[in-house]
Amino acid sequence: DQQVKQNSPSLSVQEGRISILNCDYTNSMFDYFLWYKKYPAEGPTFLISISSIKDKNEDGRFTVFLNKSAKHLSLHIVPSQPGDSAVYFCAASPRRSGGSNYKLTFGKGTLLTVNP
Amino acid sequence: DTGVSQDPRHKITKRGQNVTFRCDPISEHNRLYWYRQTLGQGPEFLTYFQNEAQLEKSRLLSDRFSAERPKGSFSTLEIQRTEQGDSAMYLCASSHAGVEQYFGPGTRLTVT
Repeated sequence: DQQVKQNSPSLSVQEGRISILNCDYTNSMFDYFLWYKKYPAEGPTFLISISSIKDKNEDGRFTVFLNKSAKHLSLHIVPSQPGDSAVYFCAASPRRSGGSNYKLTFGKGTLLTVNP
Repeated sequence: DTGVSQDPRHKITKRGQNVTFRCDPISEHNRLYWYRQTLGQGPEFLTYFQNEAQLEKSRLLSDRFSAERPKGSFSTLEIQRTEQGDSAMYLCASSHAGVEQYFGPGTRLTVT
């Protein structure tokens, strides 16, 4: 049972345009959400996160939006650059469930290709 | 650079052999995680250490798998009697107090 779903396996955008990557979750215990970027043969790199007490978090070209009622989050990249081409993973953690184990549950990823 | 390091980066082994991987976390991070990633999937949680204590193990971690973090610094993951289904990327991540985890480059295991 996939608790974190990224329904688009791939996305292609033109350089300079906006990239929107989507993620849905089913577990109501999740209260902290993260996006990671992964290049081939490398480990995931942390991009941006958001707590469930917020609905938006922005860091430079990257903005994450959270809609708790819909159990949906999205990552916006503006403007998109060819170097952004990578696999993007959405991840979730039950931070307030007690204990110190903030283990992450990942989606399957979305391959973003930014064309020059 | 003081990021998470993993060794080896690649390991090819024959079915039935034992393998051991090492992870060196970011030095001030007391939390360490192991994940496994197979083709087309996201990383899946295997086990978690806070300092030297192993506090949680996933059901994915069969009794052929064992992990240690003897002095609360580096960690090892051993797989005994490897099977072809163990072929995957094994990722280590560390964190300090927050949820954000920082990953190493991974060890790619191929069992022939």
